[in-house]
Amino acid sequence: KNQVEQSPQSLIILEGKNCTLQCNYTVSPFSNLRWYKQDTGRGPVSLTIMTFSENTKSNGRYTATLDADTKQSSLHITASQLSDSASYICVAQFSGGYNKLIFGAGTRLAVHP
Amino acid sequence: DAGVIQSPRHEVTEMGQEVTLRCKPISGHDYLFWYRQTMMRGLELLIYFNNNVPIDDSGMPEDRFSAKMPNASFSTLKIQPSEPRDSAVYFCASSLGTSSSYEQYFGPGTRLTVT
Repeated sequence: KNQVEQSPQSLIILEGKNCTLQCNYTVSPFSNLRWYKQDTGRGPVSLTIMTFSENTKSNGRYTATLDADTKQSSLHITASQLSDSASYICVAQFSGGYNKLIFGAGTRLAVHP
Repeated sequence: DAGVIQSPRHEVTEMGQEVTLRCKPISGHDYLFWYRQTMMRGLELLIYFNNNVPIDDSGMPEDRFSAKMPNASFSTLKIQPSEPRDSAVYFCASSLGTSSSYEQYFGPGTRLTVT
């Protein structure tokens, strides 16, 4: 079954700390792995897109990694800020056909002062 | 650019009524997507268009749902008749393509409540 699983479901950290969110996927054939940030009451915003040949990609304090062999990805947030409080959604895309996106359920991150 | 525009932002209706959600994609984007987001199922693709033509509607839950794109700058998602289980946030997104080279840009969503 083609699916994306994320862990943890929710996470609370203190401002300034680092954290890592995990994603496992079973989408095949696989094209790319995306991370989105979704603030409460808003649409998702793209953070990174990695193809199967890329191991890591950064966007400011966000660094995503991809291991296409084990079908795992992570999103590392450095020096967290209050504005990082959001849901982070991992998305795997099919290769070919309709290039459909398969969304994970998301990790809800709360950054406390 | 104003980004993807959706209206209304909130809709409350009674079971059995017709609901129409509207979307204006980013100018120049050839692809338009409709998604539904619920706590139970997360984000799910309902249908997408390429150059105003529906390409994949396999995610449309049933015949009560229909979507149209009469021109490059406007799309609607209609539910008739609406049911309480249709309550969700509906997102419209647009992009220049569907490969890894292209991001999808999401609108702010329409929160639908069917009582």
